[in-house]
This record gives sequence, structure tokens and C-alpha cells, in this order.
Amino acid sequence: ETGVTQSPTHLIKTRGQQVTLRCSSQSGHNTVSWYQQALGQGPQFIFQYYREEENGRGNFPPRFSGLQFPNYSSELNVNALELDDSALYLCASSLGGQATYEQYFGPGTRLTVT
Amino acid sequence: AQSVTQLDSQVPVFEEAPVELRCNYSSSVSVYLFWYVQYPNQGLQLLLKYLSGSTLVKGINGFEAEFNKSQTSFHLRKPSVHISDTAEYFCAVSFNSGNTPLVFGKGTRLSVIA
Repeated sequence: ETGVTQSPTHLIKTRGQQVTLRCSSQSGHNTVSWYQQALGQGPQFIFQYYREEENGRGNFPPRFSGLQFPNYSSELNVNALELDDSALYLCASSLGGQATYEQYFGPGTRLTVT
Repeated sequence: AQSVTQLDSQVPVFEEAPVELRCNYSSSVSVYLFWYVQYPNQGLQLLLKYLSGSTLVKGINGFEAEFNKSQTSFHLRKPSVHISDTAEYFCAVSFNSGNTPLVFGKGTRLSVIA
């Protein structure tokens, strides 16, 4: 059984560019949640996908968007990058959307916007 | 407003000494409570959770936490720490009995000194 994987590990982008981050969920999990963790802060919920549909969204602007594929892997897209988007982006997979289901986190993608 | 506060940003402690990491939350609705640990360059790992029932919850690696509803707290404890416990610890809360995404505290950096 493989765990949650994310790619790439690190990424450097310029302000105004667009970025796509990828997450492969743990085998058997149908839910993926994305979080942004700024330096020195706790993770902040961006959105969740359950069976390919968005199932909740945090306080992030529309330029943060996502997808979930039939194999339950997921992408996070960020358009018009801003300096404040520099952070560690974590994805977590689970068996369902509610908090009763344990979330398994990937190692994260470190995004730096210059 | 619903919020999670970790009162200590850093806690240094000597090896084999006891430790308590504090977490308070602000909510008028039922909550589910979690503690996660994050080792350097890794994602988050669930230590323990409180959903219902006994207010004393035991988790992995010898950690335990006690839910105190009147004080809206969920402090994490370990009677004897090891060097390997050095990590960042996050308290997280799902409000309205699990029907909302996890809200994380800012984290407490536990440093175990030999």
C-alpha cells in the first residue's frame, strides 16, 4: 500500500505565473483535501474533493482551483501567482469527506514565488 | 468566531522529562479534536483524536490528551520525552461535530534536549 505522494517537491515561480501541483491519494481513498502552510503557521484549508466533486472550500480566492480525477488523484492550480502564495502545499487523502475519517498527509510541495 | 490557539510557540524540555503542549479553542458548537505531529521535511501524522466518549485519549508514541469542555482545552501530554519527539505539533479542530474542515493552530515546536 503506497502512501500519499506529491509532486514536485520544490518549485520556484515568478509573480504572475501559473502553477500546477499534483497529489496521488492513498490506495482506496476517495477524498483529497488541500492545505496551504505558510512559514511559521499551521495548515489552512483550501478545498476538498470527494469523488471528483468539490466538497467544501476555505477562504481562498478563485485563482486557486482544483481537479480530482477518476483514480482520485488531484491537482491544485494557482493562477496569477503572488508573493504571499509562497508556502508549503499539503494534500491529504481520506476514505470520506467528514472529519471522522483520518486524513493521511503527503510530504508537501514547497512553492517559492519571486 | 471559531478559532484554535496554541499558547506556546516553542517548548524546550530535557530528555526523559514530562511535557504538556497546550491547546484551546473557541466554539459554542460540538467539536472534534486532533493532534498532529510534523517532522522536518515531512507531512503531518495523526497522533490522536477525540470524537466522543472518554475525555482522556491515548495516541501513538506514548502521547495522550484530555478534552476539557468547560475550559475548551485539549492539552497534549507525554510523561517522558525522547530526542526523537523533537518536532512541530499542531492542534486541529473540526467544528459542528465534524461537518467542517479542520482548523489548525499555529503549532508548537517541541525541542528535546539531551
